[in-house]
Amino acid sequence: KAGVTQTPRYLIKTRGQQVTLSCSPISGHRSVSWYQQTPGQGLQFLFEYFSETQRNKGNFPGRFSGRQFSNSRSEMNVSTLELGDSALYLCASSLGPRSGQHLIYEQYFGPGTRLTVT
Amino acid sequence: TQLLEQSPQFLSIQEGENLTVYCNSSSVFSSLQWYRQEPGEGPVLLVTVVTGGEVKKLKRLTFQFGDARKDSSLHITAAQPGDTGLYLCAGALSGAGSYQLTFGKGTKLSVIP
Repeated sequence: KAGVTQTPRYLIKTRGQQVTLSCSPISGHRSVSWYQQTPGQGLQFLFEYFSETQRNKGNFPGRFSGRQFSNSRSEMNVSTLELGDSALYLCASSLGPRSGQHLIYEQYFGPGTRLTVT
Repeated sequence: TQLLEQSPQFLSIQEGENLTVYCNSSSVFSSLQWYRQEPGEGPVLLVTVVTGGEVKKLKRLTFQFGDARKDSSLHITAAQPGDTGLYLCAGALSGAGSYQLTFGKGTKLSVIP
């Protein structure tokens, strides 16, 4: 199976612009999560989509938004970019949490999009 | 407040040495995973531990989940330069609507040839 793909891999934008990042999950995976990774804060959860519905959202401003399409591909958008938005944006796909005796949630990550805001 | 604390933050060792990294929390996790991330790439899932006290081995890597399911450790025997990377632990919390993993900030390991 092909892995998670993210496009573009690198992006340079200026403050005030907006950006759209794309993620194609592993075939058959309907859950897509987005994370922001910075050296100081580590991986921080942005949001999760399943079957085109946002099920969970992290503590980020409304400038960060996302959506998922019927083929499970997902996009995230950041409007009015700030210098602090410079980060590695990671997408992870999953079959979704498995609930049995214990909740298991295995995620498979793409290579990320490195966004630099100048 | 970081829900999952990893220690040490940085570790630099010589090839052939053994090491242990830790992942601690005051919360109980339903399951816990370890990932390794190399520069410029996304994290790669290494293992999932589920049962308190569980020990899993992956070649030279040994993972343990604490009895109370609040902590975990990763032990590497005879480290090699290929083990270099950022090791991340991530946990799934029980409860309705738990559609996210909580990540620690990671341990950055450098293995010097």
